[in-house]
Amino acid sequence: DTAVSQTPKYLVTQMGNDKSIKCEQNLGHDTMYWYKQDSKKFLKIMFSYNNKELIINETVPNRFSPKSPDKAHLNLHINSLELGDSAVYFCASSPWASANTIYFGEGSWLTVV
Amino acid sequence: AQSVTQLDSHVSVSEGTPVLLRCNYSSSYSPSLFWYVQHPNKGLQLLLKYTSAATLVKGINGFEAEFKKSETSFHLTKPSAHMSDAAEYFCVVSDKKDAGGTSYGKLTFGQGTILTVHP
Repeated sequence: DTAVSQTPKYLVTQMGNDKSIKCEQNLGHDTMYWYKQDSKKFLKIMFSYNNKELIINETVPNRFSPKSPDKAHLNLHINSLELGDSAVYFCASSPWASANTIYFGEGSWLTVV
Repeated sequence: AQSVTQLDSHVSVSEGTPVLLRCNYSSSYSPSLFWYVQHPNKGLQLLLKYTSAATLVKGINGFEAEFKKSETSFHLTKPSAHMSDAAEYFCVVSDKKDAGGTSYGKLTFGQGTILTVHP
């Protein structure tokens, strides 16, 4: 069983479209995260939610809106996609804000054309 | 504030020779430190972590790292490289607590080191 699963794994879409990436964890963790890996492989945190509440928001454009319907899910919705949004997006989860036990998903490769 | 610097963007070794990937960190508080590996077009895999216990940490696939507070370093080593070790490696730091005393689980990644292993 996959602990942290993301869908889709690959997504190619046109500029201006709106798309979502879904994430689910079956570990019973309280905290979920979205990280972005850009074209230079640099990884940076975008958001963190704990029990459906936003606890980290790292100056991400308003076009990115995370949604957590319950603590096992953290979806990432992106409006008006731009070329620069092309990246790999990693979902992760951990027990309450514990960096020592973070589990990452396999990543979602987003290409905006 | 926390940051991490990986001193080499590329490291190339021959199969069977030692591997050394260098990492220096900066942290306001007692940090937790990690090494992650990413194979091409794959996700992130945790190799090992330091969380204030033993300073020499052993991980998977024969890798180990030593936490040296005086040098603010957390270098990754392996005695003998294998072809399957070719990948990108990320040194990662997490402050245990922020200024308010709460850890938010935020990881700060280094820029990555690409390890190439030659036959």
